[in-house]
Amino acid sequence: GEDVEQSLFLSVREGDSSVINCTYTDSSSTYLYWYKQEPGAGLQLLTYIFSNMDMKQDQRLTVLLNKKDKHLSLRIADTQTGDSAIYFCAEMSGSSNTGKLIFGQGTTLQVKP
Amino acid sequence: GAGVSQTPSNKVTEKGKYVELRCDPISGHTALYWYRQSLGQGPEFLIYFQGTGAADDSGLPNDRFFAVRPEGSVSTLKIQRTERGDSAVYLCASSLNAGDTEAFFGQGTRLTVV
Repeated sequence: GEDVEQSLFLSVREGDSSVINCTYTDSSSTYLYWYKQEPGAGLQLLTYIFSNMDMKQDQRLTVLLNKKDKHLSLRIADTQTGDSAIYFCAEMSGSSNTGKLIFGQGTTLQVKP
Repeated sequence: GAGVSQTPSNKVTEKGKYVELRCDPISGHTALYWYRQSLGQGPEFLIYFQGTGAADDSGLPNDRFFAVRPEGSVSTLKIQRTERGDSAVYLCASSLNAGDTEAFFGQGTRLTVV
């Protein structure tokens, strides 16, 4: 079945780069996403990548996709305390074409001053 | 409205009671999704509507859960005979069409069953 896995916790110092990793199982995924969730807040879409791309850069964010290994990563350059949040990886199922998302369990990013 | 609106934002109910959670999607969006986020977990898909019809309800955990979207706009998620394990944040999302790149999420309804 479809499954998305992430490491649960990452701690970095302010100004360092953060790399959050994700693996997925659905080889027919069309889009892969990174969402941010701050305490008590909804899901904020950070960025997404189409499955036929291997890299996407958007300001401080870089997404790398290794489709062969079904591995997705999010790199945040110059991490700030405001980046502290839970980050969710998600895939859009390609087999159903409904827009249904499968989420990982989330990685808590702690940024120390 | 400007975004997806969910009401109430918080709901506390007693075990065994019936609850309704409402989602008002972005105007004109034909696709509507419900997800459930338990504490410490990622959101899990419950049900998807295309227009008025439930096109995929494979994520509903059991027959106590039901959702409707009678006019293709507002949707209501209904939970009968609530159990403590139903406590979670229920998220709604909408997109212009099914399979669009981006779906827009509401702030969620936090349901607590005591």
